[in-house]
Amino acid sequence: EAGVAQSPRYKIIEKRQSVAFWCNPISGHATLYWYQQILGQGPKLLIQFQNNGVVDDSQLPKDRFSAERLKGVDSTLKIQPAKLEDSAVYLCASRPLVARTEAFFGQGTRLTVV
Amino acid sequence: EDKVVQSPLSLVVHEGDTVTLNCSYEVTNFRSLLWYKQEKKAPTFLFMLTSSGIEKKSGRLSSILDKKELFSILNITATQTGDSAVYLCAVGTLGRLYFGRGTQLTVWP
Repeated sequence: EAGVAQSPRYKIIEKRQSVAFWCNPISGHATLYWYQQILGQGPKLLIQFQNNGVVDDSQLPKDRFSAERLKGVDSTLKIQPAKLEDSAVYLCASRPLVARTEAFFGQGTRLTVV
Repeated sequence: EDKVVQSPLSLVVHEGDTVTLNCSYEVTNFRSLLWYKQEKKAPTFLFMLTSSGIEKKSGRLSSILDKKELFSILNITATQTGDSAVYLCAVGTLGRLYFGRGTQLTVWP
């Protein structure tokens, strides 16, 4: 079974630039999460989709972050404009709709804002 | 606000030692507690616990949940250098997953 695919693996941008991350979840997984993990901290949930609808985006800084999940499959997360404090690993995870199952994570994208 | 707290934040041991990692939580609509191991970037799944008092085991790792006292422990016996990683505790509530800060475990040879 193919895992969660993310790209790019690494990205370095200057502050005020924009950046986009892509995630392809495991086939058939209805739930998709984007997490931000700053060095030394646990993953922080940014947004959760169920199919192509947003379930929870309460911690997404909506003035600069946006995310979409077209057709309930792939998802993109965008930051515009980036700030230095956005430097982090962005993790995508997916989970089937069956109750009480684990989430599967992609390899993440390490973003450095200089 | 939902909260997941792990302790200690870091731990250094020698090969062969036994370690216990702690996770306490305060969440509404608790459904499950999960342990993940994070070595590079992608957390990998270890255990899911939903019922109190039932130990889950996988080799040298074991975990148990106490839903009355709202905590879980992860035990690793006979530690090896390959156990060095960040161990993350996550709590599932109505489809959401909230993570603690993790415990950084370093095992010296």
